[in-house]
Amino acid sequence: DARVTQTPRHKVTEMGQEVTMRCQPILGHNTVFWYRQTMMQGLELLAYFRNRAPLDDSGMPKDRFSAEMPDATLATLKIQPSEPRDSAVYFCASGPGQGREKLFFGSGTQLSVL
Amino acid sequence: SQELEQSPQSLIVQEGKNLTINCTSSKTLYGLYWYKQKYGEGLIFLMMLQKGGEEKSHEKITAKLDEKKQQSSLHITASQPSHAGIYLCGADMNTDKLIFGTGTRLQVFP
Repeated sequence: DARVTQTPRHKVTEMGQEVTMRCQPILGHNTVFWYRQTMMQGLELLAYFRNRAPLDDSGMPKDRFSAEMPDATLATLKIQPSEPRDSAVYFCASGPGQGREKLFFGSGTQLSVL
Repeated sequence: SQELEQSPQSLIVQEGKNLTINCTSSKTLYGLYWYKQKYGEGLIFLMMLQKGGEEKSHEKITAKLDEKKQQSSLHITASQPSHAGIYLCGADMNTDKLIFGTGTRLQVFP
């Protein structure tokens, strides 16, 4: 079965360190989303891409977060420098169309910033 | 997101009981999606509703969309432990992106 692959599954780091999370969307999907999930805020949209072009990153703290799609098989989310409040589960999802359809989610990256 | 509220926030039911989860939008809905998340895993798509009054079922789960009320409900009949998890509604508000509700944590005990 085709699936969205996220790495790493777990990451523990110290405050101030750079964190890079990776996502391999399903082959052929042209829409990629990054979400963050916390107990307090639920599932928040950080950024999304269509055909590798960033369409909206208004949900991301611009000073420390950056999202890119260097090619169609890889999406990255970087945090530099990381802070304890960034601790959360980060999900990547991909979809085959305009973003208004069934999305396929990865298993997430559980990030803990100490 | 405050644009999409779910209730209740958590639910504990005995196996075999029926239950309903609600999702209310503060804006016009162009599509409503239900997902389920098992603890420690990603979201799994359940169903999509696009038209007012639409109702869909999958096994023992039924979802309805009330377009006028900007609301959807998810009903589980004869709940089982396998139904346990977090249920999230996602809304298309004509912005090309999917916004999610706060989630409902369901526990089913024998």
